[in-house]
Amino acid sequence: NAGVTQTPKFRILKIGQSMTLQCAQDMNHNYMYWYRQDPGMGLKLIYYSVGAGITDKGEVPNGYNVSRSTTEDFPLRLELAAPSQTSVYFCASNLPQGDQPQHFGDGTRLSIL
Amino acid sequence: AQSVTQPDIHITVSEGASLELRCNYSYGATPYLFWYVQSPGQGLQLLLKYFSGDTLVQGIKGFEAEFKRSQSSFNLRKPSVHWSDAAEYFCAVARPGAGTALIFGKGTTLSVSS
Repeated sequence: NAGVTQTPKFRILKIGQSMTLQCAQDMNHNYMYWYRQDPGMGLKLIYYSVGAGITDKGEVPNGYNVSRSTTEDFPLRLELAAPSQTSVYFCASNLPQGDQPQHFGDGTRLSIL
Repeated sequence: AQSVTQPDIHITVSEGASLELRCNYSYGATPYLFWYVQSPGQGLQLLLKYFSGDTLVQGIKGFEAEFKRSQSSFNLRKPSVHWSDAAEYFCAVARPGAGTALIFGKGTTLSVSS
């Protein structure tokens, strides 16, 4: 029972490089989310998706892009990495009903140097 | 705008002592409220949730929380803390209009002393 799987777990990027953070879930969840966690700040929503082909911005979308071509996968793309994007990134998913809790991956720790 | 406030950044309790973590929310309608726990280097695990009905909800690991509409609070409690409860705890409210995305508080770090 894999749940939500994020890869890689750790990554160091240079300023200006690009990369894709992968997220996959095997629970057939319609809704998926990307959050970033900065020390002492809780988690903030970057992007979310309510189904394949449907994505929308969250609270802090600048510098990121997403796509949702399948129900299972929800990759997060950083095009021009900046030091401000150093953070821990969490992917989550759940069923559409409001009372359904989100299931979280173990996170990707990203450093931009 | 919706928001969640966790007034305590860091709390230390003795093993076996009782625990209460505070959470206040700002939301116009009846909120969907959650408590999550995060151990170091791990993702978030759901402890409990409140949507409606009984205002005292039971969760995993012996935790409970009480919803008080008059105080806009959803405090987390445990009668007797174990060393393994040391972690970071997040209160969250479901954010309307963004799927069912969550608005998180900044978290409370719990340390347990022997």
